[in-house]
Formats: sequence, C-alpha cells, structure tokens
Amino acid sequence: GNSVTQMEGPVTLSEEAFLTINCTYTATGYPSLFWYVQYPGEGLQLLLKATKADDKGSNKGFEATYRKETTSFHLEKGSVQVSDSAVYFCALSPKTSYDKVIFGPGTSLSVIP
Amino acid sequence: DTEVTQTPKHLVMGMTNKKSLKCEQHMGHRAMYWYKQKAKKPPELMFVYSYEKLSINESVPSRFSPECPNSSLLNLHLHALQPEDSALYLCASSAPLQGRTYNEQFFGPGTRLTVL
Repeated sequence: GNSVTQMEGPVTLSEEAFLTINCTYTATGYPSLFWYVQYPGEGLQLLLKATKADDKGSNKGFEATYRKETTSFHLEKGSVQVSDSAVYFCALSPKTSYDKVIFGPGTSLSVIP
Repeated sequence: DTEVTQTPKHLVMGMTNKKSLKCEQHMGHRAMYWYKQKAKKPPELMFVYSYEKLSINESVPSRFSPECPNSSLLNLHLHALQPEDSALYLCASSAPLQGRTYNEQFFGPGTRLTVL
C-alpha cells in the first residue's frame, strides 16, 4: 500500500539554525510528492512539490529532492525564522489515484528567537 | 480569486442538532474534498466530489452527509453527531488534471466543530 513516514518531533530550533525534516514513503510506482505546511489556526498550504525522480521542489527557502533510490523526500532550510513555526506534513499522491493524497503524521516545528 | 472559503469558522452543536458546513471556491476546480483533522494529527479524507459527483466515500458514518449543489459549492450536513466527532473540518479543491501529472489541493481554513 501507500504510506508516508516522517519524524514526528516536536522539533525546536533557534533562529537561523539549519532545518532537516526526514520523510520516506512507500508507494506503488512513482507518486508525486509534496510538503504541506499548517500554521497555527489555519488550513494546509502547499509548500513545495516534486513529480518525478530527481526533481527538486523549492519555495520560501525550503527545498526537497525526490530520491527514488532511497524513497525519500527530506525537507531542508538553511536558516529558519520564527515565522516558520508550524506543522509540516509530507504527502504523496499516487499516479493511479489522483484524488487520494496520503499524508504523513506531521512534524511540529518551533523556532525560538 | 485563488482561495477556498469555509463557513462558519467555529461551530458548537449538541448531539441532537442538525447543522451544515459550507465550502466555496471560484477557481474553476473540478474536484472538491472534505477532510477531518484531529489535534496534532494529519487530515483524514472523508469525501471526494469530482465534476459534482461523489467519487470517494471513505466509509464515513451516515451522520455526515455531503452535498455538491454546483461546481463551486460543497456542503457537509451534520446530524446526531457524537462528541468524538469534534475536530477541524477542512475543505479542499483541485484543478482539472489535463496536462498535469499531480494533484495539487488548495485548502480552506477549516471549521472548528465542537459537539457537546
């Protein structure tokens, strides 16, 4: 079946620290991969995406590379800000079932000044 | 207009009440979704409408009844809910798939539901 595993945290970092949130997936075929972010009290927003192997998604200083060989899609940011405090969800969308997005458990990030 | 709106923002209801949640998008999207999200958990898919027809029902109890009156509107009718149904209910939409290979969903801010 399809599933997503990610480090659950909570993760606490100081401002300007380097961020990595690990995400690995299990899927039939080659799914599309996403990172969504949920700020406190809000819905989810798409942060970045990658649709095929070796694609790199990037947005707002965040990056993630679709690694087929390790079935991973780790999220990174070189210098986090307090405003990045949120819950981050890794997700996949199977090519055979476009309407189903499978979410990982989410990683709560707190950035302290 | 690139947003999904949801009303109400908050809803408190008793177990015998009937209420409805509303979702609206004006992006011309062909699919609309209802998710349930409990605190500190990922969203759980409940229903999917594709071109105004129910295409996925994830074995949701009948006390939740979705309705898609037109391509821009999605309702979720609630009746005889239980306290464990208290959660954030999220609506999402996505564009037609022609020429694309991925399903990018746009989420609304959610309705925070409390069942007493």
